[in-house]
Amino acid sequence: AQSVSQHNHHVILSEAASLELGCNYSYGGTVNLFWYVQYPGQHLQLLLKYFSGDPLVKGIKGFEAEFIKSKFSFNLRKPSVQWSDTAEYFCAVNAPGGYQKVTFGTGTKLQVIP
Amino acid sequence: KAGVTQTPRYLIKTRGQQVTLSCSPISGHRSVSWYQQTPGQGLQFLFEYFSETQRNKGNFPGRFSGRQFSNSRSEMNVSTLELGDSALYLCASSLAGQVNEKLFFGSGTQLSVL
Repeated sequence: AQSVSQHNHHVILSEAASLELGCNYSYGGTVNLFWYVQYPGQHLQLLLKYFSGDPLVKGIKGFEAEFIKSKFSFNLRKPSVQWSDTAEYFCAVNAPGGYQKVTFGTGTKLQVIP
Repeated sequence: KAGVTQTPRYLIKTRGQQVTLSCSPISGHRSVSWYQQTPGQGLQFLFEYFSETQRNKGNFPGRFSGRQFSNSRSEMNVSTLELGDSALYLCASSLAGQVNEKLFFGSGTQLSVL
């Protein structure tokens, strides 16, 4: 069975600081990886996804993530956060053959202080 | 294009009762998934429907059930409610339910069991 670990539960940063949120998954085969974000009062929405090709993927609002197969990791990064990035971030994995049986991590709450 | 619509937005029930939640996917989307979101647990997969057939099921007791209609609308039912069923129930839709498709989430139904 696939599983996802997000090690940081709550992160507090000042504006302009750099962000890296960790995500590790456990699954031996090919996976599809996602980062979703939930802004206060809004729906969960896709930030970025990886399913093949360049392991460095770029998403909306200046976010990027790097897939490192040997480390089973898919960490989310942003060089300079803004107050509007305050949200909860979820890493997720979906394995082939699973259709839409997506496994989510427990989420990381990011608070950006102006 | 209208997003994923979930009704009702809030529900308060007592232990032992049953509840039915409704989800209307984005027009043209044929896959509907349900998730339970609780603080600290993140999102946990309940089940996924495609063309009126349940394709995947998570590790929830049989009290949790669902169905999908020919117009892709879906309902989720929880019988014999327990206090621990209090959660935000999210519905998500995707076009064809393929593993690399992104999910479009609704606002959720907040269920409180007293």
